[in-house]
Amino acid sequence: DQQVKQNSPSLSVQEGRISILNCDYTNSMFDYFLWYKKYPAEGPTFLISISSIKDKNEDGRFTVFLNKSAKHLSLHIVPSQPGDSAVYFCAASDGATNKLIFGTGTLLAVQP
Amino acid sequence: SAVISQKPSRDICQRGTSLTIQCQVDSQVTMMFWYRQQPGQSLTLIATANQGSEATYESGFVIDKFPISRPNLTFSTLTVSNMSPEDSSIYLCSAKMGMLGTDTQYFGPGTRLTVL
Repeated sequence: DQQVKQNSPSLSVQEGRISILNCDYTNSMFDYFLWYKKYPAEGPTFLISISSIKDKNEDGRFTVFLNKSAKHLSLHIVPSQPGDSAVYFCAASDGATNKLIFGTGTLLAVQP
Repeated sequence: SAVISQKPSRDICQRGTSLTIQCQVDSQVTMMFWYRQQPGQSLTLIATANQGSEATYESGFVIDKFPISRPNLTFSTLTVSNMSPEDSSIYLCSAKMGMLGTDTQYFGPGTRLTVL
């Protein structure tokens, strides 16, 4: 069973506009969530994280929102830039095991 | 953060052979992991590499197929044994500086394996 889901396999956004990437999870034991960005032929690069005790975390152009009741998190990128074009993975862990469970990824294309 | 390198970056192998992938971290880390990303799929954890002891494998992965070593705090190897075309994947090493759940995992660039 897929415990972490990214239902949009791809997203296209104009440069300068907001990109919103979504992620849903099913395991209520997850208490820490991360977003990674992956370019082709490279490993995932850590972007931003959020603990379950928060509902928002911001770092520059990147903001992650967590809705625990809906078991949903989202990554907002504003303004979007062509260099943001990559595959974005959300990941979750339960803290106790240190294991990361990844979603299937969303391919973001930012059009100039 | 930690800088992680992997060797080889890619390889094409024949069915029935084995390949050993090396992972080197530029600083001492507490935990190291091995993941697999099959074509079009997400990243799946294979095992946690434990220093000086047997790795901890996830469901669906066994030591005979994926033997792992971790002789010290900065180095680990993953062997893909008796390969078949279904083993064609990207294999990624990751590491954490601490043991808390909130400590970030950093990833290597991956090894792209094609089995003919």
